[in-house]
Amino acid sequence: KQEVTQIPAALSVPEGENLVLNCSFTDSAIYNLQWFRQDPGKGLTSLLLIQSSQREQTSGRLNASLDKSSGRSTLYIAASQPGDSATYLCAVSANAGKSTFGDGTTLTVKP
Amino acid sequence: EAGVVQSPRYKIIEKKQPVAFWCNPISGHNTLYWYLQNLGQGPELLIRYENEEAVDDSQLPKDRFSAERLKGVDSTLKIQPAELGDSAVYLCASSLGRDNSPLHFGNGTRLTVT
Repeated sequence: KQEVTQIPAALSVPEGENLVLNCSFTDSAIYNLQWFRQDPGKGLTSLLLIQSSQREQTSGRLNASLDKSSGRSTLYIAASQPGDSATYLCAVSANAGKSTFGDGTTLTVKP
Repeated sequence: EAGVVQSPRYKIIEKKQPVAFWCNPISGHNTLYWYLQNLGQGPELLIRYENEEAVDDSQLPKDRFSAERLKGVDSTLKIQPAELGDSAVYLCASSLGRDNSPLHFGNGTRLTVT
């Protein structure tokens, strides 16, 4: 059974800092890994999807990497802003379209 | 492009009462998911549809939960009777259904059972 862990559960940084969020998973037989952002009281917004054959994906100030062999992914946020404050979740997709989610890291960026 | 639409946004009911949630996926998305999210946790899959067929309902508590997607477009999730432990956010998501197509979520329905 796939297990997904995100550590730390919460992170607070000053504005402008670069930061890394971590996601680890137990079963490396995956099709893709997706990073989401969730604002309070809202659904999940897709940020980046990395296919199993890829090593990284970039979108603006965000860069996600994937190391299947070690069961790890990181989400790098450059020059953080208060608007980046949210909960970030990763989800690992195995075959048959089943995704397993981590519990998320709640990020607070202080002005 | 309109996103995944869910209604209602909030629902408060007394235990033992029935409740229903509605979801309209993104146009053209064949795969529809219902997830349950408890506070501070990631979403957990309840049921997945490919068009009108439920292809994974192994996590759906079938004694009280039911779902349908009759025409392969919008979907309804029902709980009858609701229990206190059902209080959570119910999220609907859709995707194109290919292995590497991203999930798109609605804003969810926050259910409170009193």
